[in-house]
Amino acid sequence: SYVLTQPPSVSVAPGKTARITCGGNNIGSKSVHWYQQKPGQAPVLLIYYDSDRPSGIPERFSGSNSGNTATLTISRVEAGDEADYYCQVWDSSSDHEGVFGGGTKLTVL
Amino acid sequence: QVQLVQSGAEVKKPGSSVKVSCKASGDTFSNYAISWVRQAPGQGLEWMGGIIPIFGTANYAQKFQGRVTITADGSTSIAYMVLSSLRSEDTAVYYCARRIGGSGTNWLDPWGQGTLVTVSS
Repeated sequence: SYVLTQPPSVSVAPGKTARITCGGNNIGSKSVHWYQQKPGQAPVLLIYYDSDRPSGIPERFSGSNSGNTATLTISRVEAGDEADYYCQVWDSSSDHEGVFGGGTKLTVL
Repeated sequence: QVQLVQSGAEVKKPGSSVKVSCKASGDTFSNYAISWVRQAPGQGLEWMGGIIPIFGTANYAQKFQGRVTITADGSTSIAYMVLSSLRSEDTAVYYCARRIGGSGTNWLDPWGQGTLVTVSS
């Protein structure tokens, strides 16, 4: 089955830019979706189709996808962005399953 | 706007089964698919499977094949997930979510609030 690899943790100072990567074999040929999960809460869709934002998601959150790496970029990081972030793709070759990355804990210093 | 409300926390004995419900409101239930995802304590998200209510057909992640059953009742707009032969490793928060897709991909939005299932003797 398809495997997505995320760094376990990323740290960033307030006001700076955070980049969270999601690696997979030729992931650029797939659509990548991103979720934010704060402690004790359900995940929330952050980005879909690599770079589209649902209504209500700030423009500070953006996504890109090329080659073997997809990237979630958070600009002007705020304390409230501290959360776990998960990437996800749809694996049509494996009984049509969703696949999640292992998640990245974003710490705002 | 679609909202998903799940049933309450459960405590189960090893070897038993658990049934978690997910009630949808705010849109026509049969217009979309429902997926189930679980999260063990301190761990990441794990896809379990899903169903398209209008067709009644479910698909399951290979890991859970034979142990999970997902159904949907269009008359009540409720989806169900039954996990059988429970073991301690099944202790987790179970989420339902609306599955949206197109062009060969799918994503989840929104999610239910989650249901904690604790398996303990």
